[in-house]
Amino acid sequence: QSALTQPPSVSGSPGQSVTISCTGTSSDVGSYNRVSWYQQPPGTAPKLMIYEVSNRPSGVPDRFSGSKSGNTASLIISGLQAEDEADYYCSSYTSSSTLVFGGGTKLTVL
Amino acid sequence: QVQLQESGPGLVKPSQTLSLTCTVSGGSISSGGYYWSWIRQHPGKGLEWIGYIYYSGSTYYNPSLKSRVTISVDTSKNQFSLKLSSVTAADTAVYYCAREDSQYSSSLDYWGQGTLVTVSS
Repeated sequence: QSALTQPPSVSGSPGQSVTISCTGTSSDVGSYNRVSWYQQPPGTAPKLMIYEVSNRPSGVPDRFSGSKSGNTASLIISGLQAEDEADYYCSSYTSSSTLVFGGGTKLTVL
Repeated sequence: QVQLQESGPGLVKPSQTLSLTCTVSGGSISSGGYYWSWIRQHPGKGLEWIGYIYYSGSTYYNPSLKSRVTISVDTSKNQFSLKLSSVTAADTAVYYCAREDSQYSSSLDYWGQGTLVTVSS
């Protein structure tokens, strides 16, 4: 299985919005709404931020949202804050009943 | 609150077998609805899904690692384990265990803190 495709880096100023894309295939992202997003600050374990494409776990700010179109899912972070600076990863369930991650995106808050 | 904790040797010699255990507290592995997962992260790199197991023993593995990986479960101890055989330096990574919501979202909602395993002679 091939990793999902994410941009290596994105950046934005405080208060702005950024979008991180996650492109898969018809065997994963395109066929299932089982897409999740994780936030990983340096030296820490990943934290679930979005599940089932667009749902937020309790405690995750509503500045974080998700969407999907075809084989591409997106994480949108609005009202950027310094604390949002981290690596972000998407994941998807696949037609082989496995999971696959994206390569990760480093978010820099300018 | 579910908690997961990885344990095992931090140093493994090349060609040997890496063995890690994940102890789950605050919830029962046998309760169903979840797969219990292993993920690794090479230094400075992204996340790589290794595989997962259901309490019944049903397993799924990453095709790229399948020939070397075994995941098992011990419901009496509320633990699940990872064995990776014939390791090389390329298997040096932080290894995480996590719970996967297999019933609805396939999201990994609880993670261990991770444990660094170095493969070196």
